[in-house]
Formats: sequence, C-alpha cells, structure tokens
Amino acid sequence: GAVVSQHPSWVICKSGTSVKIECRSLDFQATTMFWYRQFPKQSLMLMATSNEGSKATYEQGVEKDKFLINHASLTLSTLTVTSAHPEDSSFYICSARAGGETQYFGPGTRLLVL
Amino acid sequence: QKEVEQNSGPLSVPEGAIASLNCTYSDRGSQSFFWYRQYSGKSPELIMFIYSNGDKEDGRFTAQLNKASQYVSLLIRDSQPSDSATYLCAGGYGYSGGGADGLTFGKGTHLIIQP
Repeated sequence: GAVVSQHPSWVICKSGTSVKIECRSLDFQATTMFWYRQFPKQSLMLMATSNEGSKATYEQGVEKDKFLINHASLTLSTLTVTSAHPEDSSFYICSARAGGETQYFGPGTRLLVL
Repeated sequence: QKEVEQNSGPLSVPEGAIASLNCTYSDRGSQSFFWYRQYSGKSPELIMFIYSNGDKEDGRFTAQLNKASQYVSLLIRDSQPSDSATYLCAGGYGYSGGGADGLTFGKGTHLIIQP
C-alpha cells in the first residue's frame, strides 16, 4: 500500500516552454501532497504544500507564479513549471500523506531545460 | 528556523558491523522524525519514523530520539552491501489534520558498506 506515482519520469524541454508534472496516490486518498526539489548532491528542499481543493502554500523563495500547483482531486496533484529555464533543471519529487504524519514519495521527475 | 544537520560522510562500515548515523535538529517544535534511504538517482524510501524519546526497533534498524539533546540517530545492525546509500534524516511538526508543514531534510549521510 501507499504507492505514489509521478509522470513523466524524465523530460527534456527547450528554454521558455512549460512543463507539467503529475503526482498520483494510487491506493489511498491524499488530502495533502508536497512538492520537493533536489539539486545534485543536495538534499530535498520543500517547495510547496498542496491541499485538495485549496490554494497551495509555497515556501519562502519559491515563485508561485512560476511553479503552478493544482490539487484537483484526492489522488492527483500537478506541478507546472512555467517558462522553464536551465536553472530550473532539477529532480522534482512529490510526496503524499497516507493518513497520519508519514509521507510516501513518488519516484521523481528529472527535468532538463536546454 | 528549521534546520536538520547531518555529517555528509562518506561513512565506511565493514559488512556485518553496526552502522551508526546521526542527526541534530535546531527547532524544538519538531515533533516527529523520519529516516529515509535514497539510492543514487532514486527518490527517498521510508525506513522508519519516531515520535517519542528512546529507542524504536524495526528489524535490523533502530531509531533513537533524545529531545533534550535534539538528537536523532539510526543504527543498522548486520550491515549489508545493499545498505550502501545516502540516509536522509527529516523532521516534521506532527500531523495536525490541517495540512501542516512538509518535512525539513538534512543533506544526508553517504554510507558505504564494505564487503
């Protein structure tokens, strides 16, 4: 149980384009999902908290107009990187709560912006 | 400010020995602590979590929490080469039911189990 999927697993795009990443909880309902970003040899940094049916809460320094989050259902949250630039290239990982405090992570999405 | 500190390593341990991983945290408001294992290029996998002072055992793994010292540790008994990975310590504020904060991660300790 507590399986989280992400799609796509990797994406390469040109600078200036937008990229959408999906995060799904497959066998449970998640009222709260989280989006993290991890640069090489760095730890995970929380970007935002996504609550079903309400606006996401962004961490300090994360541009909400650049990283659009939608949590339209209890099993799906999406992150859209708008007008992506090379510095946005990173490993994006979502997680979801299966009840209680424990977060289960998706497999991650590698984004490379050329 | 929430900070979680870990020694980046690498920590090298012979196969079959006990690996000891340590973590300190700055925010006394943190209530729950998690250990994740991350293989290169993969997302984190949950090993175990701990809320209360003392020890918590799960198979070959034992988590220890000392809230007075703001210190968390993970012991891995009978270390295997497959345990070689980066171990991430994370702190949380407890589940409020209202969509509380995400986890604050340390930078991780790179563990190498030598055959």
